[in-house]
Amino acid sequence: DAKTTQPNSMESNEEEPVHLPCNHSTISGTDYIHWYRQLPSQGPEYVIHGLTSNVNNRMASLAIAEDRKSSTLILHRATLRDAAVYYCILRDRGQGAQKLVFGQGTRLTINP
Amino acid sequence: DADVTQTPRNRITKTGKRIMLECSQTKGHDRMYWYRQDPGLGLRLIYYSFDVKDINKGEISDGYSVSRQAQAKFSLSLESAIPNQTALYFCATRPSSGANVLTFGAGSRLTVL
Repeated sequence: DAKTTQPNSMESNEEEPVHLPCNHSTISGTDYIHWYRQLPSQGPEYVIHGLTSNVNNRMASLAIAEDRKSSTLILHRATLRDAAVYYCILRDRGQGAQKLVFGQGTRLTINP
Repeated sequence: DADVTQTPRNRITKTGKRIMLECSQTKGHDRMYWYRQDPGLGLRLIYYSFDVKDINKGEISDGYSVSRQAQAKFSLSLESAIPNQTALYFCATRPSSGANVLTFGAGSRLTVL
């Protein structure tokens, strides 16, 4: 299974944009890139996913490199509520959600 | 009410006791999952179910069993709890079609003494 590499932790300031990187150099052509986040004392929460093109939703944007070997989750204007562990996960298009592998993620701290 | 409800939220028990963690969902999803989370290890899949008559082992099923009593209910049992089963347990659901997006419960923290 293709793996992802994320920084263990990042820090940013409230109301500023945050760019969370993810490297996945062994990604295959059929792997989707999923992002989830886990707020303190809660279960993981879906954020966004994409295959090749950049994606936007109400929570965030996902920028995918042209060679798909890396991606960046963008929080356009961070709030204190965005402090969480962010997981970047690959899932083969032909496989179900049971194949989602949640690693250690990036712990994002937001300073007031 | 939450889409995915887990009970109990916290439980302390002793080695050898039987424990059941319950999960119910109001999203009408067919597929349900049980994960455990340990510090520094991310989430690991214990069991999953695609419908009431379908149960599948995940990555770490030893020492656990599950029951899918209805579409909306999926229970995780520890027949004889041991200390290394102390962890945070999460239930999740997703529909059988559409995007592979999981909806998680808030978790059940289990401590085995």
